[in-house]
Amino acid sequence: SQQGEEDPQALSIQEGENATMNCSYKTSINNLQWYRQNSGRGLVHLILIRSNEREKHSGRLRVTLDTSKKSSSLLITASRAADTASYFCATVIIQGAQKLVFGQGTRLTINP
Amino acid sequence: NAGVMQNPRHLVRRRGQEARLRCSPMKGHSHVYWYRQLPEEGLKFMVYLQKENIIDESGMPKERFSAEFPKEGPSILRIQQVVRGDSAAYFCASSAGTGGTGELFFGEGSRLTVL
Repeated sequence: SQQGEEDPQALSIQEGENATMNCSYKTSINNLQWYRQNSGRGLVHLILIRSNEREKHSGRLRVTLDTSKKSSSLLITASRAADTASYFCATVIIQGAQKLVFGQGTRLTINP
Repeated sequence: NAGVMQNPRHLVRRRGQEARLRCSPMKGHSHVYWYRQLPEEGLKFMVYLQKENIIDESGMPKERFSAEFPKEGPSILRIQQVVRGDSAAYFCASSAGTGGTGELFFGEGSRLTVL
């Protein structure tokens, strides 16, 4: 099973509203990353939060990490139509060869 | 500064044929990862390579699939005797640092269709 699981699987909101996506994971992590994927394209890195950090900001993005609950959230404020995409969380697990393990993603639709 | 380059972008094969997907990492990157993505799903890790070494192939089917990253040239993901279930988008990513602890840079993917 996937290390990370996003919630909700799909989200549709009006332009200007805030969008919140959640990610839960199972094992101890080194860091957690969020990526965006536009339809038919590759993934683009958005933000990385380390296991000893609790919150991080980048422009209209805000990411939180709660290691006690093994969860993270991505907040996009003042959404725009161009934010329509799939968003994936990915975790770097500590044991074994370090690699990114992705969740199933949240498909975000921003309605103009 | 070219990003991660994958080719071909689209590939059509008949069952039983071979598919070869190529990936040139970003300049200066020596770590390459291959992922597979089915429609409406997340990315599933297949293999992690450094130059001339396979570091982790735990996500790659043991039969028909192989990957290499030679000293010179691109990384190659090879699928022999393709079946319809191999139809998917295959993404390559590269990084400069150790393992997957940092940001990955992705290519645009190679979309394989098996008829």
